[in-house]
Amino acid sequence: RKEVEQDPGPFNVPEGATVAFNCTYSNSASQSFFWYRQDCRKEPKLLMSVYSSGNEDGRFTAQLNRASQYISLLIRDSKLSDSATYLCVVTRNTGGFKTIFGAGTRLFVKA
Amino acid sequence: GAVVSQHPSWVICKSGTSVKIECRSLDFQATTMFWYRQFPKQSLMLMATSNEGSKATYEQGVEKDKFLINHASLTLSTLTVTSAHPEDSSFYICSARSLSVSSYEQYFGPGTRLTVT
Repeated sequence: RKEVEQDPGPFNVPEGATVAFNCTYSNSASQSFFWYRQDCRKEPKLLMSVYSSGNEDGRFTAQLNRASQYISLLIRDSKLSDSATYLCVVTRNTGGFKTIFGAGTRLFVKA
Repeated sequence: GAVVSQHPSWVICKSGTSVKIECRSLDFQATTMFWYRQFPKQSLMLMATSNEGSKATYEQGVEKDKFLINHASLTLSTLTVTSAHPEDSSFYICSARSLSVSSYEQYFGPGTRLTVT
């Protein structure tokens, strides 16, 4: 079992739709949580950090449930430009600092 | 925001040759730099972690004699793929953690696409 698991998708949604991505992590020592976005043949770019209290940035809302070891990302009013792969990323500092990437969820937003 | 550059952005080399990839933090000092590899439609896989002035820590399954990492300064790390083979063709991405930032955020370079013929 992978330490960070995501639904690979792809998710095909029309413009304006709301789409939710889920992610689970298995190591309870995980400390920090992020969603990154990666466009084809590009490096990952930080979308947002994820906090237990939940955080929102415009159309994007991220949530963390430490008890369930579950992270979510909600995108409202999808735009064509949201088409990308969304990576769930977890860090921990056990035996050295480590960043673990999920395999990513692909999103296609159609006109 | 913090900027990390990589050079070259893409390279094609013949089997058996060596390729050096540079990773630089342009506007901050990086205590730690990470090297990742990403094959098509797969996630980033950490290859090694390097701290300035010390030997890199390699992940299981990554040959340290094949992937030479040097982190000579707080702003530069290099990855040398020695005796490259076609199966080494991949997207290599470095990232850096800032000395002055307490969070676990990493800043990624734009990646280097290596094709070995």
